[in-house]
Parts: sequence; C-alpha cells; structure tokens
Amino acid sequence: DSGVTQTPKHLITATGQRVTLRCSPRSGDLSVYWYQQSLDQGLQFLIQYYNGEERAKGNILERFSAQQFPDLHSELNLSSLELGDSALYFCASSFTDRVPFFGQGTRLTVV
Amino acid sequence: TQLLEQSPQFLSIQEGENLTVYCNSSSVFSSLQWYRQEPGEGPVLLVTVVTGGEVKKLKRLTFQFGDARKDSSLHITAAQPGDTGLYLCAGEVGDYKLSFGAGTTVTVRA
Repeated sequence: DSGVTQTPKHLITATGQRVTLRCSPRSGDLSVYWYQQSLDQGLQFLIQYYNGEERAKGNILERFSAQQFPDLHSELNLSSLELGDSALYFCASSFTDRVPFFGQGTRLTVV
Repeated sequence: TQLLEQSPQFLSIQEGENLTVYCNSSSVFSSLQWYRQEPGEGPVLLVTVVTGGEVKKLKRLTFQFGDARKDSSLHITAAQPGDTGLYLCAGEVGDYKLSFGAGTTVTVRA
C-alpha cells in the first residue's frame, strides 16, 4: 500500500458524460500528479499540482481539468468523454524529492 | 516516439533463469527510476539511481545507471514467479515531469 488513495476504483460511463476522479495523497506529500495509462500510449503524464498550485502540465486535453484543494486532495475532471478516453488513471504523490508514489488507479470505461 | 526506449518489450523465462531489461535514451537524466506494475495495480517504485555508473542491489535485483546517465539496466538473478510484472523505467525531463518508457512485460514460468 503506497498510501495514495484513489476513488472510485472502477467507473463505467457513456460518451459525452463528465466524471470526477478523486485522489488523497500520502500524508505529508505536497505534490500530486495525474497520469493516464492506455494500451497504445503507455503511461502518460497529465498534470502536477504542488501545494494547491499547478506546477507542470503534460499531455492533458482541454476537456480535462484538475485541481488540488487546501487539504491537498486532488480531483481530475474529465468531460465530453469519448471512447478513446477509456484508460487507467493514476494519481501519484511526493514530498519534495520528486519521485512519485502511485495509487492503485481508477479504471475508466467509456461506452 | 518514446523518450525512453525499453527492450525487450516482452520476456518469458523459466523460474531460476536470469534476465536483463534495458532502458535507453539519447537524453541525459538527473535521475532514473524503475517501477514494477502488476495488472490492475499502480506502479510500485523499486529504486532510484542518481549517479552515473551507480549500481544498486535490491535482493536479487541489480540496477545500473550508465556512466553518461542516458541508460540503465535491471538484472534479475534466479527469477521467481513473483517477479512477473510490467517493469517501467522513468526519467525526469525537467519541470517536474517524469517520462516513462513503454515497459517490459516479464513472465516467469514456474
């Protein structure tokens, strides 16, 4: 158990819908990262927050957004969902050494 | 094109055999991480290598960072079925972003 908690573990939704994925980082970690893992793209960095502020951005679509709250938990919002958005979404957290520890992921299926 | 190229893509061996996984790039990394991921789970950090030429051992796993800090290898001695999984290397590419290789799927048959 990495100490990073993600909910829900599984999510099935229809195209065009909007979902929110939630992440609680390890106790004391200030950074939260979001990654997407699909079969054809591998593990892709989406976005990072540090202590509530956006720190780095990767290949995140405009339909996707994220935020980190004062209690340091984070949410990833995915809207206008398409079939191709089906993937595993991972949250990771770190303190200051930049090496992230991953949660167990949310498996999103868009039908 | 992946910034980090891992080879081989798939590896299937018998229990007790040795194996080596490679991670190569044309870029220099300040550090490189190795993770193992099991189906339906998140990647689990195995090791971080920082210094060029560094060798780290974790029980039967040996990790090496190239002298030029552009490549790394993971060697498993006397592999066991519990070593089965997807092995991922990752390097920091600046601005706090980690770039992952596509991974090597290792299957150890009993």
